[in-house]
Amino acid sequence: QSALTQPASVSGSPGQSITVSCTGTSSDIGGYNYVSWYQQHPGKVPKLIIYAVSNRPSGVSNRFSGSKAGNTASLTISGLQAEDEADYYCSSYTSNTNLVFGGGTKLTVL
Amino acid sequence: EVQLVESGGGLVKPGESLRLSCAASGFIFSNAWMTWVRQAPGKGLEWVGRVKGASGGGTPDHAAPAQGRFTISRDDSTNTLHLQMSSLETEDTGVYYCVREGYNYGHHALEIWGQGATVTVSS
Repeated sequence: QSALTQPASVSGSPGQSITVSCTGTSSDIGGYNYVSWYQQHPGKVPKLIIYAVSNRPSGVSNRFSGSKAGNTASLTISGLQAEDEADYYCSSYTSNTNLVFGGGTKLTVL
Repeated sequence: EVQLVESGGGLVKPGESLRLSCAASGFIFSNAWMTWVRQAPGKGLEWVGRVKGASGGGTPDHAAPAQGRFTISRDDSTNTLHLQMSSLETEDTGVYYCVREGYNYGHHALEIWGQGATVTVSS
């Protein structure tokens, strides 16, 4: 199973909104509503921030939102803050019962 | 408090074996689907495999790179998840995370992560 495709990096200024895309196929993102997003700060453990395409776990800021159209999922962060600077990974359930991750996107807050 | 604590990491030579364990507490372990995710130095996350909870028959699923070399198992009597790795290669070097999958937040969401166990494969 090939990794999902994410941009290597995105950037934005404080207060702005940014979107990270995650592109797969009809065998993963397009076929199931089991897309999740994870935030990982340097040297830290990944943290679940979006599950089932667009749902936020308890305690996650509502500045984080997720969506999906066809084979592409997106993570949007609004009102960008310095603490949002981190790596972001998408994942999806796949038709062979596995999970697959995107390659990760480094967010820089300018 | 929900906790996952990995152990068993270390330095091994190519071709050797290693067994990682993950001690779980704070939830009904037998009901939980448990997953291993690894991260090579400076690289992204990679799904290694999972073992389903009781509702799923307790059966494992392994990612293609792990097929035949890695075995995931669970011991519900001790609330412990295992990852038996054999014929290790330098490419297997990385941090191995024990993760609870889909317990509170729906199927296939990796909700709770352990701190990770570091595996280094080098001659």
